[in-house]
Amino acid sequence: DVKVTQSSRYLVKRTGEKVFLECVQDMDHENMFWYRQDPGLGLRLIYFSYDVKMKEKGDIPEGYSVSREKKERFSLILESASTNQTSMYLCASSQGVQPQHFGDGTRLSIL
Amino acid sequence: KNEVEQSPQNLTAQEGEFITINCSYSVGISALHWLQQHPGGGIVSLFMLSSGKKKHGRLIATINIQEKHSSLHITASHPRDSAVYICATSNFGNEKLTFGTGTRLTIIP
Repeated sequence: DVKVTQSSRYLVKRTGEKVFLECVQDMDHENMFWYRQDPGLGLRLIYFSYDVKMKEKGDIPEGYSVSREKKERFSLILESASTNQTSMYLCASSQGVQPQHFGDGTRLSIL
Repeated sequence: KNEVEQSPQNLTAQEGEFITINCSYSVGISALHWLQQHPGGGIVSLFMLSSGKKKHGRLIATINIQEKHSSLHITASHPRDSAVYICATSNFGNEKLTFGTGTRLTIIP
């Protein structure tokens, strides 16, 4: 079964810090995604990667960057964390147009 | 851009009741997805369908392409069905999904 692992379930950081969220998948999937989920807004795509070193902006990329140096790992970076980036962050992976497999999420609080 | 709307936003029912959650979308799609999110965050894919009906256990998903509408039904609901159910759409050649805002279902014993 596909396993998507996010490095932390809960994370607390301070305003202005550089924050790294890590995601690893074990099924050699081409596609990887980072979403944030906020009450009343649903899941919104931050960034998408369809291959190593390839990335594409999603709907809300401002304040974020990503890195995909290896196929199995997709990192989300908050360059200078702000309180409005407090949210649930979800990573997902997929092969082609098949259903996405999600990690358990990271609940990030920026103080 | 596709708009995906779900109804109701919240639904509370007694154990054993038949549950229906609705999803409508604004433009043509290649597939519609139903996802389930339990408290704690993890999301699992329940169905991916492009026409007709699919069934898995007590869950049934239907889609009407002409009306741009899909329904998720749960028969003989159980407290363990309590979760957020999310509808999402995709287009051919596009791996990205467009999500609805979810329906929070609570089943009372």
